[in-house]
Amino acid sequence: GQQVMQIPQYQHVQEGEDFTTYCNSSTTLSNIQWYKQRPGGHPVFLIQLVKSGEVKKQKRLTFQFGEAKKNSSLHITATQTTDVGTYFCAGPGAGNNRKLIWGLGTSLAVNP
Amino acid sequence: ETGVTQSPTHLIKTRGQQVTLRCSSQSGHNTVSWYQQALGQGPQFIFQYYREEENGRGNFPPRFSGLQFPNYSSELNVNALELDDSALYLCASSLSAGNTIYFGEGSWLTVV
Repeated sequence: GQQVMQIPQYQHVQEGEDFTTYCNSSTTLSNIQWYKQRPGGHPVFLIQLVKSGEVKKQKRLTFQFGEAKKNSSLHITATQTTDVGTYFCAGPGAGNNRKLIWGLGTSLAVNP
Repeated sequence: ETGVTQSPTHLIKTRGQQVTLRCSSQSGHNTVSWYQQALGQGPQFIFQYYREEENGRGNFPPRFSGLQFPNYSSELNVNALELDDSALYLCASSLSAGNTIYFGEGSWLTVV
């Protein structure tokens, strides 16, 4: 079945270092969405990418959607302790219900 | 605030009991999906409702059932609770399937 994979599963960085998480889908996606979940919290929508090759920035966060619309990345420049959490990517499935298919997430820990 | 509210926020049940969790979706959102998230795991899709009809289901047994009401609020019912059902149950609403979803704070269920 359709799968969305994320790597790495865990990342531990020093504050100020950069961080990147990668998302790969087994099928072409109409869009890719990124969510952040803080420890003890619920997933919060960050951004949606729709166009092939699209790049969007939110302050220190840069999101990319691959040309083939099968992969995506999230890059954080100069991490801060507030970036701690798990970052999930998700994309609509191919079925009629278009339910979101989720990656397993990348958990980011930041040492102050 | 996402405009999605869930109740109760925390509850403890005994194995074999039944539980009902409730969700009010964001205004104007006709699609509601439910997720189960165990500790340290990503959200697992349970099912999705669109205009009062279930239109997608994940890999969960029939003892997980749901309803969506004319005002698009929703319920998740779980019968014959098992210890492994202990998790955070997340409700999410969206304008339509496949689009950005907005999560509620979740209901923490502990089965003892």
